[in-house]
Amino acid sequence: DTEVTQTPKHLVMGMTNKKSLKCEQHMGHRAMYWYKQKAKKPPELMFVYSYEKLSINESVPSRFSPECPNSSLLNLHLHALQPEDSALYLCASSQDRNRGTYGYTFGSGTRLTVV
Amino acid sequence: AQKVTQAQTEISVVEKEDVTLDCVYETRDTTYYLFWYKQPPSGELVFLIRRNSFDEQNEISGRYSWNFQKSTSSFNFTITASQVVDSAVYFCALSEAPGKSGGGADGLTFGKGTHLIIQP
Repeated sequence: DTEVTQTPKHLVMGMTNKKSLKCEQHMGHRAMYWYKQKAKKPPELMFVYSYEKLSINESVPSRFSPECPNSSLLNLHLHALQPEDSALYLCASSQDRNRGTYGYTFGSGTRLTVV
Repeated sequence: AQKVTQAQTEISVVEKEDVTLDCVYETRDTTYYLFWYKQPPSGELVFLIRRNSFDEQNEISGRYSWNFQKSTSSFNFTITASQVVDSAVYFCALSEAPGKSGGGADGLTFGKGTHLIIQP
């Protein structure tokens, strides 16, 4: 299995809702990432988990809460979002860079609309 | 700080023409990785190539080729005999080493992307 699976593919939520994005990989990768991509912009790094521990938080507002329950799963919990948070949320995973096949595999993303 | 510059915002060519997408990067590290990704309208990022800083060999994969030149900090991407299916946004990206967290986990810094339009 060489995929990163993200669910749901589309999500519409109100500003008072609580929702979660899910990401799963079974490639044995020990690093997982959340990126946010606004329209016509490049992906921007939000969070990095390494060996199931949060290692990088790029000053993301607390209304975004990541969680890594195990080495295959990554969640992004959403609460009290704003319309400007509407974007494509991409999950990725990677092997340790010391591996010869180091690289990043991306999921197809969740298109989030906040109304 | 690391930076990736893709100066071409949009390129439009007629099918079967060759096209080159430029990428210039900045980094203080001597060990780093460069990537190219393709993003079709559906949104997923499709991996095209990875190159580490110690490997300056150019690479060819079918109609795709990459020219890595450390002397000019460039990693350009050429599509030969372009096809309509090549239409997409192409991102060049950089990953430095070591990662902030150790264990080899570090995020990618992307260029702004080049929107390639191949007209039939």
